[in-house]
Amino acid sequence: GAGVSQSPSNKVTEKGKDVELRCDPISGHTALYWYRQSLGQGLEFLIYFQGNSAPDKSGLPSDRFSAERTGGSVSTLTIQRTQQEDSAVYLCASSPDRTTEAFFGQGTRLTVV
Amino acid sequence: QKEVEQNSGPLSVPEGAIASLNCTYSDRGSQSFFWYRQYSGKSPELIMSIYSNGDKEDGRFTAQLNKASQYVSLLIRDSQPSDSATYLCAVTGFNKFYFGSGTKLNVKP
Repeated sequence: GAGVSQSPSNKVTEKGKDVELRCDPISGHTALYWYRQSLGQGLEFLIYFQGNSAPDKSGLPSDRFSAERTGGSVSTLTIQRTQQEDSAVYLCASSPDRTTEAFFGQGTRLTVV
Repeated sequence: QKEVEQNSGPLSVPEGAIASLNCTYSDRGSQSFFWYRQYSGKSPELIMSIYSNGDKEDGRFTAQLNKASQYVSLLIRDSQPSDSATYLCAVTGFNKFYFGSGTKLNVKP
């Protein structure tokens, strides 16, 4: 596709379950970002991938959160043992490199009940 | 100190007026500067990018950058009710985009 694709669009899960969120970046984009946005709040940086370099994981809120990027393309954000405070919209963005425009996917709305 | 600061607003302007949105950043080494628009319930959409000092115009939008003052602004001319949204300022640092918390703009018919 032409844009950043995220799946699923919506996810409702029970507290304590694990969830996986997927991001398919724009083809050829080497930089990929994950952000979290709680209702009415700003963007919270989670993790950044740039090419084959080690990811910047400095924004991950706890060890329940992890992410990987396979083959420099698709990325998966995994949240283990979900908590109600994990409820938010998770946004993925990709960019040709770290200094140029980043384009966002439509987001995954996660609701933990 | 946050890397990117924005007034949260809301900024209210009448239809047809000029809306002025401002942003300051802390890292003098920042290279690239962006404005995103985010409608309620939607993801951020890139509307302007600026890389060098001065003004950059695109339709009704003008981005202004002053690196010496570490200041970025966005002017929206002939504001329309459809411009009502939250505007996010973004600045590239060493490893990530730094986003401001956004300014909510209300354009009143």
